[in-house]
Amino acid sequence: EPEVTQTPSHQVTQMGQEVILRCVPISNHLYFYWYRQILGQKVEFLVSFYNNEISEKSEIFDDQFSVERPDGSNFTLKIRSTKLEDSAMYFCASSAARGRVQTQYFGPGTRLTVL
Amino acid sequence: AQTVTQSQPEMSVQEAETVTLSCTYDTSESDYYLFWYKQPPSRQMILVIRQEAYKQQNATENRFSVNFQKAAKSFSLKISDSQLGDAAMYFCAYRSEYGNKLVFGAGTILRVKS
Repeated sequence: EPEVTQTPSHQVTQMGQEVILRCVPISNHLYFYWYRQILGQKVEFLVSFYNNEISEKSEIFDDQFSVERPDGSNFTLKIRSTKLEDSAMYFCASSAARGRVQTQYFGPGTRLTVL
Repeated sequence: AQTVTQSQPEMSVQEAETVTLSCTYDTSESDYYLFWYKQPPSRQMILVIRQEAYKQQNATENRFSVNFQKAAKSFSLKISDSQLGDAAMYFCAYRSEYGNKLVFGAGTILRVKS
């Protein structure tokens, strides 16, 4: 069964450093998403991406965040200058379509620890 | 803005018994989708079941079923014949008809006792 994959599973970085989290969505999916979950808190939407552009973003997704689909398979989330409060689990998700048939399938997550 | 509320931070069930997890939501929209996701200790988010608001029939997936009450804006998950592998955090989520984002509740930890 196709699945969303994410790398790395755990990333440790120093405050102020740039990190790139990588995701490979399900191959025939067209819509891509990033969510984050700070430990012990609810899952929060960050951004959605379709046709090589952001279709929606949350207030959390400020100028220090960016997303990119550099090739036909990868979808990345970049955090330019990490802060302690960026420590969280980051989930990538993908869906085949929007509207009535959309179901988002999640990857296993990347645990980001900012020291 | 839509909100999702899960009022039970933690629930326990005996193996082979039935448990119901509660979820309520607030929206002014008439068409939307509701989901239950399971998050085991590995922290991966796994889709359990989905419900389209325009469908009156409650969704069912094997041992998992929902009680969708649109007027009451309630969407509970019933797990029958609970198994040890059902132990996890369960999140209720809402999505607008043509929106992108999922709005999650705070989650309910389900413990299964043998």
